[in-house]
Amino acid sequence: EVQLVESGGGLVKPGGSLRLSCAASGFTFSNYKMNWVRQAPGKGLEWVSSISLSSTSMYYADSVKGRFTISRDNSKRSLFLQMNSLRVEDTAVYYCVPIGITYDAFDYWGQGTMVTVSS
Amino acid sequence: SYELTQPPSVSVSPGQTATITCYGGKLGDKYACWYQQKPGQSPVLVIYQDTQRPSGIPERFSGSHSGNAATLTISGTQAMDEADYYCQAWDSSTVLFGGGTKLTVL
Repeated sequence: EVQLVESGGGLVKPGGSLRLSCAASGFTFSNYKMNWVRQAPGKGLEWVSSISLSSTSMYYADSVKGRFTISRDNSKRSLFLQMNSLRVEDTAVYYCVPIGITYDAFDYWGQGTMVTVSS
Repeated sequence: SYELTQPPSVSVSPGQTATITCYGGKLGDKYACWYQQKPGQSPVLVIYQDTQRPSGIPERFSGSHSGNAATLTISGTQAMDEADYYCQAWDSSTVLFGGGTKLTVL
């Protein structure tokens, strides 16, 4: 059974930093491109970042470029998101989402971890 | 880059057909996916590659694509289908989501 468990969320002041983690199980983690997708309270889904299988390519939404860094550790089946210079508008639930485990889409979602940026 | 545009809300009576259309300037040569999200829950994939339905998704959910528009159709809508629906497509190496449509089953 595919499981994605996000952690590391919490309350942080504007300008602060936070590191999110995602523990994956139930599939061959190293075989899949991974993503972070977020959802602000009462708002829609927003793709944040993606990373290729062997970490050779990383992509970011314009809204987080230069502030967030995605990384992965295939040996530990883990995905990370280092978030620096956090802004109030970064407040959201952050989901760790693989692509294409069964279908050519975001086919499995975890429960997400809440990040609140507030003074 | 381009954007994906969906109506903010759609209402349908139980048993009737609901349609949600997603427009995007470059959607014509991209596959679209659709996700259902109920309050307090994570999104669930209901359509991928424009028309394909994942295992476990009821047959009343179907998708189509014409030009720069992708459409999610729910036939014989049930009360349990009341949720937010998001279209999604890829743009080069980035991912786009529509703004979401709140489906209300009256």
